[in-house]
Amino acid sequence: EIVLTQSPGTLSLSPGERATLSCRASQSVSAPSLAWFQQKPGQAPRLLIYGVSNRATGIPDRFSGSGSGTDFTLTISRLEPEDFAVYYCHQYSSSRTFGQGTKVEIK
Amino acid sequence: QVQLQESGPGLVKPSGTLSLTCGVSGGSIVTTAWWSWVRQPPGQGLEWIGEIWDNEKTNYKASLKSRLTISIDTTKNHFSLNLYSVTAADTAVYYCARVMVAQGYNWFDSWGPGTLVTVSS
Repeated sequence: EIVLTQSPGTLSLSPGERATLSCRASQSVSAPSLAWFQQKPGQAPRLLIYGVSNRATGIPDRFSGSGSGTDFTLTISRLEPEDFAVYYCHQYSSSRTFGQGTKVEIK
Repeated sequence: QVQLQESGPGLVKPSGTLSLTCGVSGGSIVTTAWWSWVRQPPGQGLEWIGEIWDNEKTNYKASLKSRLTISIDTTKNHFSLNLYSVTAADTAVYYCARVMVAQGYNWFDSWGPGTLVTVSS
């Protein structure tokens, strides 16, 4: 099973700041098999990025994904109030697994 | 836009069977998609459980495979989860979701609201 390790566990930032979230895989993830989700309390996850760097329908362009092999990044260029949430990476290169999540909280 | 809705008991006794159904509306379950189950223990992260295609091909999380059956009923436009011999560790919010497949990509494009299942006597 491919283990995904996300860092940091918690990111404390202010609105308008840039957020950089990391997802590291225990073995190489074949392109294009990496996605990112956002989850708010009491809600189902929402797809942000699939295929490493493709924004899902309706996702604003301040969200971007990049990476390859074992290292992937989700960047939020300027945090809006509605972006404070938990973010999960997900690989589907070998079966499916999720990272443990990064919480983006208001500083 | 397709909508998904989980249904089933909210309380299951230890050693019993957890059974959930996901009803699909606004679209056919016969499509180029995996129909998937994901769970989330209280206060914890997401765990993929398994998935099924409309031809009944399944993929299961390895550590759950011996206790798990996912089935599909294309006439009723729903798919189901049965998890056997449950323990308190199976307490979680269970989500059903659609994973579209196209052009070498796949993506979770629709989710149910989730249903909390508690394993307790």
